[in-house]
Amino acid sequence: QLQLQESGPGLVKPSETLSLTCTVSGGSISNNIYSWGWIRQPPGKGLEWIGSVYYSGNTYYNPSLKSRVSISGDTSKNQFSLKLSSVTAADTSVYYCARLPLVGSIYTFDIWGQGTMVTVSS
Amino acid sequence: QSALTQPPSASGSPGQSVTISCTGTSSDVGAYNYVSWYRQHPGKAPKLIIYEVTKRPSGVPDRFSGSKSGNTASLTVSGLQAEDEADYFCTSYAGSNSWVFGGGTKLTVL
Repeated sequence: QLQLQESGPGLVKPSETLSLTCTVSGGSISNNIYSWGWIRQPPGKGLEWIGSVYYSGNTYYNPSLKSRVSISGDTSKNQFSLKLSSVTAADTSVYYCARLPLVGSIYTFDIWGQGTMVTVSS
Repeated sequence: QSALTQPPSASGSPGQSVTISCTGTSSDVGAYNYVSWYRQHPGKAPKLIIYEVTKRPSGVPDRFSGSKSGNTASLTVSGLQAEDEADYFCTSYAGSNSWVFGGGTKLTVL
């Protein structure tokens, strides 16, 4: 059973860089039939796609965040990571990592981590 | 890339049916049959209930159904049950390996 688990600091200061890691168990991130994404949800608000990383190492980002975001994968640890720079209070959210199958019929984020709350505050 | 538009709230009595809309543009919902729906209970991660507009993952009851017309997708929940009270989100592929989500609809079972 594939599981994803987010980890990282729960509190980040304004203007600093938010760094989160998603650890995948029960499957390999180097499997070329999946991509891996980050999605966030501000308190009481909707979901926002942040970006995705593919087995090839290619990355794709939400245009509204592209200048501040970096997503990368570490196949040796079976993890993928998110870095968001120059954070402000508007970046306070629950951050989720999720899997997206590239083959077969379920072309959407089908398995999600439980999410981790990150607050931006001094 | 703008968020998909959902009504903020919807409601229905047990046993009734409720339909939630999700309006996008000709660049996302209207362009691709990759619209999905998620149910999210408070404090929990979203759970996939509909993918590719009309399909249900294994284990999701057939009380949940999806459809699409033009730039608007819809989720219908039939035979409402207390456990259906939750937030519902839609998402659509938006081209160039990007995705857009809706703002969410809070479904209340009266």
